[in-house]
Amino acid sequence: DADVTQTPRNRITKTGKRIMLECSQTKGHDRMYWYRQDPGLGLRLIYYSFDVKDINKGEISDGYSVSRQAQAKFSLSLESAIPNQTALYFCATSEASGSAGGELFFGEGSRLTVL
Amino acid sequence: KNQVEQSPQSLIILEGKNCTLQCNYTVSPFSNLRWYKQDTGRGPVSLTIMTFSENTKSNGRYTATLDADTKQSSLHITASQLSDSASYICVVSEQAAGNKLTFGGGTRVLVKP
Repeated sequence: DADVTQTPRNRITKTGKRIMLECSQTKGHDRMYWYRQDPGLGLRLIYYSFDVKDINKGEISDGYSVSRQAQAKFSLSLESAIPNQTALYFCATSEASGSAGGELFFGEGSRLTVL
Repeated sequence: KNQVEQSPQSLIILEGKNCTLQCNYTVSPFSNLRWYKQDTGRGPVSLTIMTFSENTKSNGRYTATLDADTKQSSLHITASQLSDSASYICVVSEQAAGNKLTFGGGTRVLVKP
């Protein structure tokens, strides 16, 4: 079984619909992240969480919200999806670490298409 | 604004040949530089992580170099295999600021038989 599991893997929805992408991990890491990947662009950070009660905005948080329900679970919501949110979304985890920065472990991705 | 630029955007090589990918960055203050391999339709997987004091690091047929003075890194693939076909992503971590990561756009490598 994958260490970082994302559901759904693929989703097609319509403009204005509410969408939730879920992520669960068995690595026991404290830190979890949601990234967005668009063709030709680098991954961009949407939100991140360093602990169950900790939620932080990334560089492109507008239009998204997250919930850290437990150490192992981190979900991403689009309250009212719009077409330019069509992208490949990745969840990632890392250990808390010092100045070296923890290695990221990515899920398999969730491809979202908003019509 | 911190940036990570990768070149070339894509390349095609014959199986068994070597190739080198480039990464230039402006991230400061620098913490570490990572190379990830991303197979089509999969999540990125870490190849190497290098800190300021490391000039080179290998992972099998992959060798990464870092010149922190010129803010350049390269990833060399030796004796390429069909399974090396993937995107290779350079990621630079910023010291403090929660180790903020800046991702390059990636180099897409296609290995042909």
